[in-house]
Amino acid sequence: AQTVTQSQPEMSVQEAETVTLSCTYDTSENNYYLFWYKQPPSRQMILVIRQEAYKQQNATENRFSVNFQKAAKSFSLKISDSQLGDTAMYFCAFETGANNLFFGTGTRLTVIP
Amino acid sequence: NAGVTQTPKFRVLKTGQSMTLLCAQDMNHEYMYWYRQDPGMGLRLIHYSVGEGTTAKGEVPDGYNVSRLKKQNFLLGLESAAPSQTSVYFCASTAPFAGYTFGSGTRLTVV
Repeated sequence: AQTVTQSQPEMSVQEAETVTLSCTYDTSENNYYLFWYKQPPSRQMILVIRQEAYKQQNATENRFSVNFQKAAKSFSLKISDSQLGDTAMYFCAFETGANNLFFGTGTRLTVIP
Repeated sequence: NAGVTQTPKFRVLKTGQSMTLLCAQDMNHEYMYWYRQDPGMGLRLIHYSVGEGTTAKGEVPDGYNVSRLKKQNFLLGLESAAPSQTSVYFCASTAPFAGYTFGSGTRLTVV
C-alpha cells in the first residue's frame, strides 16, 4: 500500500521564525517524485516545491526547503522567515506515475504576527 | 494563461438531481484528474484520464462518471446526487512528474 502520513494536524509559528512540517510516506516504488502543496483560504492548490527521489540534493525554492531522507521515507518542509501569507493548509504528496498522486491529510499552519 | 478552469465554483443540489462539473485546461496536458476533498481526509482521486477519449477509475469512483471528448476538457458527472457527495471537487492536469496544476475547486452541497 502507498500512503502518506502527516502527523501534525496543526502548527503555528511566529512571523519571521522558522517552522518544519513533517511527512513520511510508504511505497515499494524506486522512482517517484515528492511534492509539497499549499492551500490558502482561497482554496487554490499551489505547488510549493518538488523533489525527485533519485536526487540526493535537497530541493530549495526561496524560503522553502526540504529535508529528504530516502531510506527513512521522510520528506519534511522547512519554511524560513515565515510570513503572514504562509498561513495555509500544507499537503505532502508523492507521485509514482502519471495516474498515482497520493496525498497526506494536511497540516494547518498559522503564522502569528 | 488561465491554467485549469473549473465551473461552476459553487452549487447546491437536491438529492437525486444530476449535474456536470466542467474542467478546462489550456496547457496541452495529456493527463487530467478529478479529486474530492473532505475534512481530515486530504484529496482522493475519483477518476482520471491519460488522454483524449480515455478514462479510468481512481480511489473513489462510485456515483460519478467522466468523459474526455476533447483533450482540453474533462467532465465529471453526478447522475443522482447523494448527501455523501457533498464535498469540494478539484480538477487537475499535468505532464508526468511535472507537478499538478489544480483548478480553484467547486464546492458542492447536496441537501
